[in-house]
Amino acid sequence: DTTVKQNPRYKLARVGKPVNLICSQTMNHDTMYWYQKKPNQAPKLLLFYYDKILNREADTFEKFQSSRPNNSFCSLYIGSAGLEYSAMYLCASSRVWGPYAEQFFGPGTRLTVL
Amino acid sequence: GDSVTQTEGQVTVSESKSLIINCTYSATSIAYPNLFWYVRYPGEGLQLLLKVITAGQKGSSRGFEATYNKETTSFHLQKASVQESDSAVYYCALGDYSGTYQRFGTGTKLQVVP
Repeated sequence: DTTVKQNPRYKLARVGKPVNLICSQTMNHDTMYWYQKKPNQAPKLLLFYYDKILNREADTFEKFQSSRPNNSFCSLYIGSAGLEYSAMYLCASSRVWGPYAEQFFGPGTRLTVL
Repeated sequence: GDSVTQTEGQVTVSESKSLIINCTYSATSIAYPNLFWYVRYPGEGLQLLLKVITAGQKGSSRGFEATYNKETTSFHLQKASVQESDSAVYYCALGDYSGTYQRFGTGTKLQVVP
């Protein structure tokens, strides 16, 4: 099973409220990623966990938090949503290092902030 | 910085005709970039279509092929005869050997018409 699951598929949030998105995989992948995708833009890497080590992109460092309580689950947390957070959020996982380090993507969570 | 450019936002091709989707890249922080094509079918998550890790090599999958051209920094996607089921959004991406670093293009929506 090469499925990455994301919950919820659609999320409506109010400005200033927190948002928590969930991702899971059962492939025993050591790395899990979160991307943000806005219309007509490229998917943008926000952060990734390699095992228990969190790596966040410099320009989104303060905007997003994440946790990985076990190998299978990873969350993306927004403490106070703003209108600019409206986007599709894509989770992916991979077993890193080597020429076969393919990322497997989930279907995405569409977040709308009002 | 590193970047991937896809010049066409949308391409419409008649069934059984040939296809080329352009992709060029700039890799300033990666010594030996890996190049990818991902595809997103309607209602599904991003999935890897093909990957090439060595300059000069060609990758192929599902009738699609792309050649890693280091001289022209290009990785164009081609298919000799498209089908309606190929209608999807195609993303070119650049990565490193570890698999944790990926930069995506903005995507090209392919519509195949009868």
